[in-house]
Amino acid sequence: GAVVSQHPSRVICKSGTSVKIECRSLDFQATTMFWYRQFPKQSLMLMATSNEGSKATYEQGVEKDKFLINHASLTLSTLTVTSAHPEDSSFYICSAGTLAGVGGTQYFGPGTRLLVL
Amino acid sequence: KQEVTQIPAALSVPEGENLVLNCSFTDSAIYNLQWFRQDPGKGLTSLLLIQSSQREQTSGRLNASLDKSSGRSTLYIAASQPGDSATYLCAVTRYSSASKIIFGSGTRLSIRP
Repeated sequence: GAVVSQHPSRVICKSGTSVKIECRSLDFQATTMFWYRQFPKQSLMLMATSNEGSKATYEQGVEKDKFLINHASLTLSTLTVTSAHPEDSSFYICSAGTLAGVGGTQYFGPGTRLLVL
Repeated sequence: KQEVTQIPAALSVPEGENLVLNCSFTDSAIYNLQWFRQDPGKGLTSLLLIQSSQREQTSGRLNASLDKSSGRSTLYIAASQPGDSATYLCAVTRYSSASKIIFGSGTRLSIRP
């Protein structure tokens, strides 16, 4: 199956700094990428949807100025957590989707664990 | 607005038992439904994907069914093993493979040796 990678897998940063997380589709072109956040013992909550070359669509309650998403190519999307605070500590997972035919699916990255001190 | 609910939230059974996890969704207009497994602190592993036109899918000891009209899906695990202990997530996709996925809250499964 298709592979989606995330980098870094784990990051610890000081409060007030910015952190960038990369999501790459390694062997297919992703028309759409999604960013999810998962707090401990909770399910995944969609943060935003990004299409290559256009602005991301954010879910209600997600601050677009705080969580900057760039989808510059069909294989790369980045999520930047600006001025991170301890409450931003979470598990961030991306997924990549393609419109290639019936039966297609999204592929999930392995996740990035962010800890803000 | 699509909502996905999973019951029970947690389940503990002795090894060897057959068990059923339940998932319900409020909007029957779905493209597909997936069951995922998530181990603590890890990412998602896709177990089974059922297209909206299908009724069930099987993989090894796992069988997932879909009743779109009633908004329900079940994941059946046969002959459970301690290695099956994990959180199981049900998720629906609405329009296409490029649509956002809505996840249920998950069922935390523990298989006792």
